[in-house]
Amino acid sequence: GQQVMQIPQYQHVQEGEDFTTYCNSSTTLSNIQWYKQRPGGHPVFLIQLVKSGEVKKQKRLTFQFGEAKKNSSLHITATQTTDVGTYFCAKHGSGNTGKLIFGQGTTLQVKP
Amino acid sequence: DAGITQSPRHKVTETGTPVTLRCHQTENHRYMYWYRQDPGHGLRLIHYSYGVKDTDKGEVSDGYSVSRSKTEDFLLTLESATSSQTSVYFCAISEAGTALHGYTFGSGTRLTVV
Repeated sequence: GQQVMQIPQYQHVQEGEDFTTYCNSSTTLSNIQWYKQRPGGHPVFLIQLVKSGEVKKQKRLTFQFGEAKKNSSLHITATQTTDVGTYFCAKHGSGNTGKLIFGQGTTLQVKP
Repeated sequence: DAGITQSPRHKVTETGTPVTLRCHQTENHRYMYWYRQDPGHGLRLIHYSYGVKDTDKGEVSDGYSVSRSKTEDFLLTLESATSSQTSVYFCAISEAGTALHGYTFGSGTRLTVV
């Protein structure tokens, strides 16, 4: 169907450890977007990946788009307490309406 | 984020009453969306608009209606609120319907139906 599956649902790490969340689709994606939502906040756009095999970095965050454009990952190196929140991937639905279909999200807890 | 506001921020209402949530933008973006967020379900699209008076249903549209009479305002109405509609509602805007733009979200409305 149209869903994107995101794993894991929850992750607890010690500060300084690495963290990865994965996003998988049964269909080929035209692009994938990633958002971060802090506790009690609203989702904030992080990045969009478009090209097969694309890798983009934002400081300690590394985003990858699979070669087959069916999966994506977000990796955080050396987590900090400021990384706490829920990370969502999202793909575009059909048509040029811009509507996004979101994964269920991965909630990251970081123990200081 | 600057440029998009939701009102009210919190609301408690009784079952069976109509409720209207407002999303206002100052970015002149064509596309506007209403999502609801519930634990274990992520963000689910209720309705969206691709222009003034142009709206369409999302995946969870039953029990909801929308209106967009001006570019800047997108209203979500719960016609007869039920407890299952207790949720956090987010409005989002997008500059274009093509693949290259991220959403800007409002701060959300926490709705409780008792």
